[in-house]
Amino acid sequence: AQSVTQLDSQVPVFEEAPVELRCNYSSSVSVYLFWYVQYPNQGLQLLLKYLSGSTLVESINGFEAEFNKSQTSFHLRKPSVHISDTAEYFCAVSESSNQGGKLIFGQGTELSVKP
Amino acid sequence: EPEVTQTPSHQVTQMGQEVILRCVPISNHLYFYWYRQILGQKVEFLVSFYNNEISEKSEIFDDQFSVERPDGSNFTLKIRSTKLEDSAMYFCASSSGGGRGANVLTFGAGSRLTVL
Repeated sequence: AQSVTQLDSQVPVFEEAPVELRCNYSSSVSVYLFWYVQYPNQGLQLLLKYLSGSTLVESINGFEAEFNKSQTSFHLRKPSVHISDTAEYFCAVSESSNQGGKLIFGQGTELSVKP
Repeated sequence: EPEVTQTPSHQVTQMGQEVILRCVPISNHLYFYWYRQILGQKVEFLVSFYNNEISEKSEIFDDQFSVERPDGSNFTLKIRSTKLEDSAMYFCASSSGGGRGANVLTFGAGSRLTVL
C-alpha cells in the first residue's frame, strides 16, 4: 500500500518569495508521482507529474518538483510566487504497474501568498 | 481542452434520502473514478470502474454506495440512504487506457453534497 505525507498544512509567504511544499511518500512498489492544485471553489487540476526519465519536472507556470528516490520525496518548489498561486496543493502517488490504478493523496498544503 | 463534467454542482438533501451524482468523463477515456473530500480533510478514493465493472473500491465504499455507467457516456454515483457524514465534495475523474496514460487522472469540478 502507498501513503503520502505533506508535512506542512499551511504555508504563508510573501509575493515574489521562493516557496517549497514538501511531500514524502511510502511505497513498496514503483510509483508515479503527481502534484495537483485546487484553486478556491474549483476542482483538482494536474500541475505536474513524474512518470520516468529526468527526476526534475516542470509546470508551465514556473513550478518544479524533483523526484528523490533515496529520500522518497517529491517536493514542489517555485523561485518566486505570485498572488495567483494562492491555492491548496496536493501531492499524490499511484502504483506504476497498475494501468488504471487509483491516486492516493496527501493531506494537502494550503499556500497563501500575501502582497 | 477536454474536460470532465459533473452535475449538480451543489445538492442539499435530507438525511435518509437517495442522491445520484452524475459525471460525463472525457469521451475516449476508459477508467473512471469517484473521490470525496470532506471539508478540511484530504481527498479520499472511493471507487474505480473499468470495462463496466468496479475494479477497486475503498472501505468507505460500503453497501450504501453504487456506481453505474448507464448509457456509455454518463458515470453515476448513487448514495442510497444519505447520512450526515456523507456531506462532502465528490469528485469524478477519468483516465485513458494503455501504458502510462492510464495513471493520469483528469478531475471534474466536483459536486458538493450537503446532508441535513
